[in-house]
Amino acid sequence: EAGVTQFPSHSVIEKGQTVTLRCDPISGHDNLYWYRRVMGKEIKFLLHFVKESKQDESGMPNNRFLAERTGGTYSTLKVQPAELEDSGVYFCASSQEEYTEAFFGQGTRLTVV
Amino acid sequence: RKEVEQDPGPFNVPEGATVAFNCTYSNSASQSFFWYRQDCRKEPKLLMSVYSSGNEDGRFTAQLNRASQYISLLIRDSKLSDSATYLCVVGPTAGGYNKLIFGAGTRLAVHP
Repeated sequence: EAGVTQFPSHSVIEKGQTVTLRCDPISGHDNLYWYRRVMGKEIKFLLHFVKESKQDESGMPNNRFLAERTGGTYSTLKVQPAELEDSGVYFCASSQEEYTEAFFGQGTRLTVV
Repeated sequence: RKEVEQDPGPFNVPEGATVAFNCTYSNSASQSFFWYRQDCRKEPKLLMSVYSSGNEDGRFTAQLNRASQYISLLIRDSKLSDSATYLCVVGPTAGGYNKLIFGAGTRLAVHP
């Protein structure tokens, strides 16, 4: 069974550009989460989808970040415009139920220059 | 004050050694507790959940002290393959089981 997959694995963009990260959860997992780790900091929660609905987006840093999950399958996280402080590793995770283990993808390493 | 605090290490130990990691959390109402393992440039993976009664999985033993808001992980008979970063993780106080709060991690290096 395929795990959580994220694309791209690495992205280098210039400040002010737009980047879109994609996450494909494990098939059948209704719950999808985005986390990120910026340089030297802990991994931090960004938001939680249940199917296509945003259950909790309290961790989204500002309105430059937009997450979508149309159709309740894969999710995208768009950063527009990107700033230097957005550099870090963005992880996606999914779980079958809200109270079961979440499995993480390998992450997208974003570098804004 | 950080919500979850860990000693960053690194802990450099020989094979066969016993090593213990500690972690404290700030919110006394937290309801779930975990240890995750993260290999270099990989994703975090659940190592074990932590219960008040303590729990053991092979060479790994986890303990929770709610009164002191303290979590520990003991690794016995360390293997080279145990080299990784160990993340102390706390669940939320209500709802959102997977809205996890991560510590910065403790790095372990096991050498021959």
